[in-house]
Amino acid sequence: DAGITQSPRHKVTETGTPVTLRCHQTENHRYMYWYRQDPGHGLRLIHYSYGVKDTDKGEVSDGYSVSRSKTEDFLLTLESATSSQTSVYFCAIATGSGNTIYFGEGSWLTVV
Amino acid sequence: QKEVEQNSGPLSVPEGAIASLNCTYSDRGSQSFFWYRQYSGKSPELIMFIYSNGDKEDGRFTAQLNKASQYVSLLIRDSQPSDSATYLCAVSDLGLYNQGGKLIFGQGTELSVKP
Repeated sequence: DAGITQSPRHKVTETGTPVTLRCHQTENHRYMYWYRQDPGHGLRLIHYSYGVKDTDKGEVSDGYSVSRSKTEDFLLTLESATSSQTSVYFCAIATGSGNTIYFGEGSWLTVV
Repeated sequence: QKEVEQNSGPLSVPEGAIASLNCTYSDRGSQSFFWYRQYSGKSPELIMFIYSNGDKEDGRFTAQLNKASQYVSLLIRDSQPSDSATYLCAVSDLGLYNQGGKLIFGQGTELSVKP
């Protein structure tokens, strides 16, 4: 257990509405990540953070923004949800041992 | 574009057999290599990581790395039905003593172990 909690775990929302997913960690890790997973595409990095207020884009960042105002929380926001953002979203943290990354339980988002 | 390629499968093996999962990567600068297991509806779970050429064993699992061929594999000995899952290969350009690497994942290989 890497001490990662994602919320909400499941959400259905309408096209055009804003959505925020929260990732909370309890072990003070510096690096946090948001990935999405889709059939045929595997896991793709959306955004990542290397500290409070330090974030950067991943390979599929369009339509997403992130914020990290506290070490323990990394928020992913879909400003105006589209059907193409229907996916499973995984938060992850990097631990100090061997550059390893551990995932949270995932958030299933459906945009209708 | 850095790529990680895996056969999507499904790979079907009988119980007790050796399952061999393969992965190739495009970036010669890759330093760290990871295998994750993912059960349906669950999050990826780290099985093993390897940094140096050669073999690394952990119980029934052996990871093999050949940087010259840009190839990494995972062998599962004495396969069990509980090993049935999707196995994800991931690659990072940071090494053993670094944090903060961004993993690039393959699409995963579905493994089915038949009783």
